[in-house]
Amino acid sequence: SAVISQKPSRDICQRGTSLTIQCQVDSQVTMMFWYRQQPGQSLTLIATANQGSEATYESGFVIDKFPISRPNLTFSTLTVSNMSPEDSSIYLCSVGGGVTGADTQYFGPGTRLTVL
Amino acid sequence: GENVEQHPSTLSVQEGDSAVIKCTYSDSASNYFPWYKQELGKRPQLIIDIRSNVGEKKDQRIAVTLNKTAKHFSLHITETQPEDSAVYFCAATLIYGGSQGNLIFGKGTKLSVKP
Repeated sequence: SAVISQKPSRDICQRGTSLTIQCQVDSQVTMMFWYRQQPGQSLTLIATANQGSEATYESGFVIDKFPISRPNLTFSTLTVSNMSPEDSSIYLCSVGGGVTGADTQYFGPGTRLTVL
Repeated sequence: GENVEQHPSTLSVQEGDSAVIKCTYSDSASNYFPWYKQELGKRPQLIIDIRSNVGEKKDQRIAVTLNKTAKHFSLHITETQPEDSAVYFCAATLIYGGSQGNLIFGKGTKLSVKP
């Protein structure tokens, strides 16, 4: 399976600021996704990061709040904009396709965000 | 859209016993069903998956069964060990044309294995 890293691993931010989370894969993958996992909860898909085009957002998530970039097949960023305490959560990227196989998704280690 | 229900939300077993977690899905078009294990503070790890053309798949102490007619699938863990303690998530999606749709997750089952 692919080796997936995320930066930062955790951060504490002030409300009203923005944080950009990076996801790096050691091999080319077709699909990259961004999820949010609130404490003790399940995983909720934010958006699919499409290489070379705009991300596809799920209901309840908008580009102005969560802008996403995917400049190539190994890298993506998620920005959490104008943060509020409700944005405190773990943000995970996942990858699929390429060497991981078309069906399977593997997760990065996550970024734990706390907004004060 | 797809909706996945998972039961039970918590499960406590004695070491050596079996554990069963059940999920139902709503979209009959879904054809790929993975299971993830998430230990505290760690990322979700894929432990087993099944496609809709297969009724059962086994990997050592874990197995998954799928009933397409009833739209439910189950995770079976035999001879449980304390290291099996974790939160388990089921998920469902549609794979088509070599591309995968969005994984829809169940709410998770917290499994505790008591020594």
